[in-house]
Amino acid sequence: DVVMTQFPLSLPVTLGQPASISCRSSQTLVYSDGDTYMSWFQQRPGQSPRRLIYKVSDRESGVPDRFSGSGSGTDFTLKISRVEAEDVGVYYCMQGTHWPITFGQGTRLEIK
Amino acid sequence: EVQLLDSGGGLEQPGGSLRLSCVASGFTFDKYGMSWVRQTPGKGLEWVSSISGRGINTFYADSVKGRFTISRDNSKNTLYLQLNSLRVDDTAVYYCANGVRGGGDHWGQGTLVTVSS
Repeated sequence: DVVMTQFPLSLPVTLGQPASISCRSSQTLVYSDGDTYMSWFQQRPGQSPRRLIYKVSDRESGVPDRFSGSGSGTDFTLKISRVEAEDVGVYYCMQGTHWPITFGQGTRLEIK
Repeated sequence: EVQLLDSGGGLEQPGGSLRLSCVASGFTFDKYGMSWVRQTPGKGLEWVSSISGRGINTFYADSVKGRFTISRDNSKNTLYLQLNSLRVDDTAVYYCANGVRGGGDHWGQGTLVTVSS
């Protein structure tokens, strides 16, 4: 199985400051169709997960542009340019290139 | 507006069975592969199973293969997950999602399955 390793697992951030979460996969995530099936999800307390980013860097409709995804191959990053209070929650990376689909352990973002 | 309404969870004894349902609206259901993802209380996300748009191809995590069956009724815009031979470690909130490789742009609200004697 492809192991998705996120870091850090805990991320205290001051409001208005940037934040960055990394995710490393144990295998390349480039699929045979040329796409890279790497997504990022946000789960706010008490809510279902919500997709923020798909195919590495495509932002979901309605997601603020302060969220951005980047990376290639096996190393990927989710960046928040200026953290707001509503960004508190757990962030997960997910790969859909290889079966079984696998998620990272989650990164808990909190406000300092 | 896209909506996914999960239901069917509950308390079941080890070895028992449950059937989860996910009623979809707001999108062309048979054009989308669908997935089930579960989350153990206080823990992370685990992919369980996926099915193609017409229901021809199905995929399972090793932890549920041979015990769970995913299916869909496109005439009813409904996704199902039949859970048999339930184990204590199947206890989780189960979410349906409208997607497979991309993880789904919409998720249901989740339905809690508790397996305990």
